[in-house]
Amino acid sequence: GQNIDQPTEMTATEGAIVQINCTYQTSGFNGLFWYQQHAGEAPTFLSYNVLDGLEEKGRFSSFLSRSKGYSYLLLKELQMKDSASYLCAVSSLPNTGTASKLTFGTGTRLQVTL
Amino acid sequence: DSGVTQTPKHLITATGQRVTLRCSPRSGDLSVYWYQQSLDQGLQFLIQYYNGEERAKGNILERFSAQQFPDLHSELNLSSLELGDSALYFCASSVASNQPQHFGDGTRLSIL
Repeated sequence: GQNIDQPTEMTATEGAIVQINCTYQTSGFNGLFWYQQHAGEAPTFLSYNVLDGLEEKGRFSSFLSRSKGYSYLLLKELQMKDSASYLCAVSSLPNTGTASKLTFGTGTRLQVTL
Repeated sequence: DSGVTQTPKHLITATGQRVTLRCSPRSGDLSVYWYQQSLDQGLQFLIQYYNGEERAKGNILERFSAQQFPDLHSELNLSSLELGDSALYFCASSVASNQPQHFGDGTRLSIL
């Protein structure tokens, strides 16, 4: 099976930097996604890592270490609108010839304060 | 706008009833996924279709079924509804199964 761990809640100040960690255990790892979800709304895609290293996209960056089963999402210059849940999702290939399976963590609720 | 369309946005019904949720994927996406999200719960994967064929099954109850039609739209059928089935049901689509999924706005199902 799969196990994905993220902190349940985090709080940070507007303008600051916050790092949201995600650890996972899976077989057949095929990539890791980060999604943002505002309460009651649809998740929106933020980033995708399949190789080790840092992917940067504007104020958001995501890092992956496959050997450690570890990823983080870095949010810079925090804005009030960044208050949302951030979902770590791991893609895996259960068996040869089958489709990739995406498993979501329970998400980290980030509150940005003044 | 993700390009994924779900209808209806809201659905209120009673226990024991049957409902159908509909999803139109983004243009060009062949894979469709269904998820359930209960209050304060994570996204639970239900089922995936690719170009009309079932590709993967998650924690989908036997009372639930889905299909993908030749025009690639998909329907999720929920029957013998129970109070615990109240949730947000999301549809997502992607070009391929290891590519980013794009989510519709969801259908909020309330069972009274």
